[in-house]
Amino acid sequence: GENVEQHPSTLSVQEGDSAVIKCTYSDSASNYFPWYKQELGKRPQLIIDIRSNVGEKKDQRIAVTLNKTAKHFSLHITETQPEDSAVYFCAGRGAQKLVFGQGTRLTINP
Amino acid sequence: GAVVSQHPSRVICKSGTSVKIECRSLDFQATTMFWYRQFPKKSLMLMATSNEGSKATYEQGVEKDKFLINHASLTLSTLTVTSAHPEDSSFYICSAPRTSVPDTQYFGPGTRLTVL
Repeated sequence: GENVEQHPSTLSVQEGDSAVIKCTYSDSASNYFPWYKQELGKRPQLIIDIRSNVGEKKDQRIAVTLNKTAKHFSLHITETQPEDSAVYFCAGRGAQKLVFGQGTRLTINP
Repeated sequence: GAVVSQHPSRVICKSGTSVKIECRSLDFQATTMFWYRQFPKKSLMLMATSNEGSKATYEQGVEKDKFLINHASLTLSTLTVTSAHPEDSSFYICSAPRTSVPDTQYFGPGTRLTVL
């Protein structure tokens, strides 16, 4: 089945700088890769997703890139703000179900 | 947007009792719902896939008799933790995809279960 690895587990950046979180997946048949943001004690919120027929997708300060050959995808957050502090999860869809990465705790330092 | 609710948000129970958690899709129908478990500072672990009108599909290592799932209608799935023990204490979250956009999963707010 699908296996998703996520790095780093923690990330601390200065406000205004960029943050990058990377994930790799194992199932070459996976075709959908969402990113979720989860604040403490709350539900995961979808922030951006990408399908395997696209290499890059951008939504304001957030972008995701996908390299199908290497089987990895990345989340890029530019001009980080304090409200970006949260845990971020990548996921890959294999066999009709999502498999999540281990999560990255992002801290934005003022 | 699509809304998924869960009830209760928090529950505390004694060992040996059973607890039922409801997951509802409020503004769309969901033939499939997913149940996850999340330990503190950990990722979401899929427990089972709930299928309307048929049996749930459980992930490897998840006890079917302990975590009973019933998908009673196109908008409701329930997870019953039977004979709960302290090690069952966790954050349980459901999700549901819209039929029209099957890739995107919408999560419920989660249920914090504490077993004393």
